[in-house]
Amino acid sequence: SQTIHQWPATLVQPVGSPLSLECTVEGTSNPNLYWYRQAAGRGLQLLFYSVGIGQISSEVPQNLSASRPQDRQFILSSKKLLLSDSGFYLCAWSVLARAAVQFFGPGTRLTVL
Amino acid sequence: AQKITQTQPGMFVQEKEAVTLDCTYDTSDPSYGLFWYKQPSSGEMIFLIYQGSYDQQNATEGRYSLNFQKARKSANLVISASQLGDSAMYFCAMSPTNAGKSTFGDGTTLTVKP
Repeated sequence: SQTIHQWPATLVQPVGSPLSLECTVEGTSNPNLYWYRQAAGRGLQLLFYSVGIGQISSEVPQNLSASRPQDRQFILSSKKLLLSDSGFYLCAWSVLARAAVQFFGPGTRLTVL
Repeated sequence: AQKITQTQPGMFVQEKEAVTLDCTYDTSDPSYGLFWYKQPSSGEMIFLIYQGSYDQQNATEGRYSLNFQKARKSANLVISASQLGDSAMYFCAMSPTNAGKSTFGDGTTLTVKP
């Protein structure tokens, strides 16, 4: 069966500090991978998605970046965090063989102070 | 471009009763999928049910069913026999069949009363 891991679960960072959130998927090959951000009580904002190693599409211009160094690893980064980067970050995967249903990880709560 | 509209920010239902959460969509894609997710207070997004645009029958998964009306572009979620554990935020989403990107609605917060 497939599982998706995200870490850390919670993170408190000062403004201007760097960020690295990691997501890994097990039990599937060549998945599409996604990073979303969710503000409190709001819907999901797609940040990045990837259809393969090294292939990243950015949906929203911002000071965040994403990388996919391995087939089942997706990393969200920032060189200098802003207050507005606070939120709940969710990683997800999908495969077309499963009708493109997205399956989500447990999420990371990021607070930038 | 795709759009999902969930017009009910919050809903209340009595325990053991049925509840319908509304979702309308707009797309120019000829083939697409519609999904519902549950997000409890823990934050994790839990996949509930899927409906393909060419599926002849409405999807069902246990107490969840999807009332799909293609001509009206609606994909309402029906939860039967509500339980206290159903209290959560519910998101409707869609994606083209051959592309992975999904569009999500703003969600509906469901509260089940004892």
